[in-house]
Amino acid sequence: EPEVTQTPSHQVTQMGQEVILRCVPISNHLYFYWYRQILGQKVEFLVSFYNNEISEKSEIFDDQFSVERPDGSNFTLKIRSTKLEDSAMYFCASSVGLADYNEQFFGPGTRLTVL
Amino acid sequence: AQSVAQPEDQVNVAEGNPLTVKCTYSVSGNPYLFWYVQYPNRGLQFLLKYITGDNLVKGSYGFEAEFNKSQTSFHLKKPSALVSDSALYFCAVRDSNSGNTPLVFGKGTRLSVIA
Repeated sequence: EPEVTQTPSHQVTQMGQEVILRCVPISNHLYFYWYRQILGQKVEFLVSFYNNEISEKSEIFDDQFSVERPDGSNFTLKIRSTKLEDSAMYFCASSVGLADYNEQFFGPGTRLTVL
Repeated sequence: AQSVAQPEDQVNVAEGNPLTVKCTYSVSGNPYLFWYVQYPNRGLQFLLKYITGDNLVKGSYGFEAEFNKSQTSFHLKKPSALVSDSALYFCAVRDSNSGNTPLVFGKGTRLSVIA
């Protein structure tokens, strides 16, 4: 069964450093998402991406964040200058279609720890 | 704006007993409702969804959920719990009247099935 994969599983970085979180969505999916979950809190939407551009983003997704699909398989989330409050589990997801009733398939997450 | 409430942080049930994980929602239009499960060190796995039609929805691993419009609820149920059902369960909603809105998640309920 096809799966969304994410690397690394755990990333530790110093405050102010740049990090890139990587995701490989399911191959025939066209819509990609990033979510995050701060420890003990809700899963929160960050951004959705389709046809090489951002479809929608939340207020969390400020200028420090960017997303890219550098090739036909990877989907990346970059945080330019990490802050302590960026420490969270980051989930990538993909869906075959954009319709609201399409379920999204999630990766296992990357745990980001900012020191 | 849409929202989801999962009133219980933790649900404990004995193996073989029925289980219920509660979820209530708030949307301005009609809801699309989803349940996801997260096992340790794994991503969110899709369990089931309600789009329209029959209020009782059946999903993976013997789970089902009942959509109740008057109570704005979408409780997850299983007639006979297994120890392997122990995991973190998330309810999520999208508003069908609001275009490509992000999934909005509840904070999750940890289910513990005791042998």
